[in-house]
Amino acid sequence: QVVLTQSPSASASLGASVKLTCTLNSGHSRYAIAWHQQQPQKGPRYLMKVNNDGSHTKGDGIPDRFSGSTSGAERYLTISSLQSEDEADYYCQTWGTGILFGGGTKLTVL
Amino acid sequence: EVQLVESGGGLVQPGGSLRLSCAASGFTFSDYSMNWVRQAPGKGLEWVSYITGTTTTIYYTNSVKGRFTISRDTAKNSLYLQMNSLRDDDTAVYYCARNSADGAIDFWGQGTLVTVS
Repeated sequence: QVVLTQSPSASASLGASVKLTCTLNSGHSRYAIAWHQQQPQKGPRYLMKVNNDGSHTKGDGIPDRFSGSTSGAERYLTISSLQSEDEADYYCQTWGTGILFGGGTKLTVL
Repeated sequence: EVQLVESGGGLVQPGGSLRLSCAASGFTFSDYSMNWVRQAPGKGLEWVSYITGTTTTIYYTNSVKGRFTISRDTAKNSLYLQMNSLRDDDTAVYYCARNSADGAIDFWGQGTLVTVS
């Protein structure tokens, strides 16, 4: 059974870049994942899909500052030129027989 | 513009029932699989149920099997979640979410709060 692991928290300074990680468990390294952002007191928003070959497809209106990449079983979300509104929870998600979410990473913008 | 608008949440006693609705617009509803996802207070996202556009395939997370029923009405562009035998730990914001053709959730509603107490 696939498991998605995310660090509970991350922080970076305003204007800097940050790379968030979602790790697939052993035997499931070829799964694609999606990244979702949830700002405080709001519903989630789809950011992008990241494939096992490193390609990614972003949702409508997602700024160029957001990008995705892959290394082995790890799927990354990189946010550059951090802005205050990027402070949010970020969830990775995959699918098979149903949907599975990672535990989420709370990003703090310093 | 794609829109998903949930309704039907509220306060219900343990053991009670509630029916959630999600009104979809801005896309061809029957072409998309749909999900219900919930979020307990202060917790992460938890997938609840999935239904294909043709309703031929339905999945549930283990904790709601036998208690919740997902359904959809193409004529009304609506998704439903019938929740019976509600428990305290079903308290959450419930989101309606659209599946893209490749499996990723690609659009979310704003959520409706269900409180079991």
